[in-house]
Amino acid sequence: GAVVSQHPSRVICKSGTSVKIECRSLDFQATTMFWYRQFPKQSLMLMATSNEGSKATYEQGVEKDKFLINHASLTLSTLTVTSAHPEDSSFYICSASSSGGRSYEQYFGPGTRLTVT
Amino acid sequence: GDSVTQMEGPVTLSEEAFLTINCTYTATGYPSLFWYVQYPGEGLQLLLKATKADDKGSNKGFEATYRKETTSFHLEKGSVQVSDSAVYFCALNDYKLSFGAGTTVTVRA
Repeated sequence: GAVVSQHPSRVICKSGTSVKIECRSLDFQATTMFWYRQFPKQSLMLMATSNEGSKATYEQGVEKDKFLINHASLTLSTLTVTSAHPEDSSFYICSASSSGGRSYEQYFGPGTRLTVT
Repeated sequence: GDSVTQMEGPVTLSEEAFLTINCTYTATGYPSLFWYVQYPGEGLQLLLKATKADDKGSNKGFEATYRKETTSFHLEKGSVQVSDSAVYFCALNDYKLSFGAGTTVTVRA
């Protein structure tokens, strides 16, 4: 159980265009979803936390107008990278949780490799 | 703020060798502790977890014990296999996950 999917797994887009990444919890209702960014050979950096039906909470230094997050249902969150530039190329990983608190577990998606040319 | 420090890699081992990856943490509260594993080109998979002091998490031959007195959660496996080659992340959850830098482990046949 606790499967999280991401789509697409890889995407290449041209500079200046926007790209949307979907994150779905397949067998549970995710009250909270998280979006991370991972640079090569580095750890995960939390970008934002989203709760279903409310605005996302962005981490310091993350541009909320550039990385639009929508969590419209308990099984779907989307990350839209607007006006993408080559420096936005990265591995984006989402995770989902069915509850809050210190002991809750996050279930991770397989990641999306974004390349901006 | 909360932080996790884990042993820097890369670590290269022969099959059947003993693996230890050190992890220490700093937290103001009483976090849960996790080890995640990431295979090339994939997302993270939960390897094991411990939610309170003295808890031992175990899975697939890996073990880690939540040591509050030393603020540590070291990962160990007694006999590694080539399939254990991956990046391992230590993490703590105090309402938000904080990850260590990751340790790349390569096991050679």
